[in-house]
Amino acid sequence: NAGVTQTPKFQVLKTGQSMTLQCAQDMNHEYMSWYRQDPGMGLRLIHYSVGAGITDQGEVPNGYNVSRSTTEDFPLRLLSAAPSQTSVYFCASSYSRTVGQETQYFGPGTRLLVL
Amino acid sequence: LAKTTQPISMDSYEGQEVNITCSHNNIATNDYITWYQQFPSQGPRFIIQGYKTKVTNEVASLFIPADRKSSTLSLPRVSLSDTAVYYCLVGPPYSSASKIIFGSGTRLSIRP
Repeated sequence: NAGVTQTPKFQVLKTGQSMTLQCAQDMNHEYMSWYRQDPGMGLRLIHYSVGAGITDQGEVPNGYNVSRSTTEDFPLRLLSAAPSQTSVYFCASSYSRTVGQETQYFGPGTRLLVL
Repeated sequence: LAKTTQPISMDSYEGQEVNITCSHNNIATNDYITWYQQFPSQGPRFIIQGYKTKVTNEVASLFIPADRKSSTLSLPRVSLSDTAVYYCLVGPPYSSASKIIFGSGTRLSIRP
């Protein structure tokens, strides 16, 4: 299994540009989520999904869209990039139908710089 | 969602036992306590999870008192490679379709 993969690893955007951060997992996990991490800070939840066709907002959803058309993929779209969205973005997944909290598996992250 | 409070940072030396305490006064009956570790430039990695009393694995131990309002992650005989940020999470089983929220974490620095 490749686990959780994210592309690209690094991206530079100009203010106002749009782009999609890709996230895929091959573990048949139901739960997927996107976090952003700013320098020296903890992770903040952007959006999450508990299964194909179901998404919901996290703590900081403004400026981002998500969709979940398949179990494997959970792309994050930046509609109009702003310098405040400069951050490292992590995608995570877990299998939700277990007792207790299931372990989340994180991707390697995407570093985004918005000029 | 139960809010967690952890020390911002801690320092220790190689070979010492390190205990990181997390406060979660508003923990709900069906909430679990989970700890993650994050190295620089990497995503967090699961360490340990528990509901009550004590849980131990090959990496760490987790102590949870009877009132469950706090928990302590114990790292035995730390090494330089244990330098990382440690996050305490509290929340219900994922089947409840809940958000999984990370706090600010504890930055642990291990010195020779």
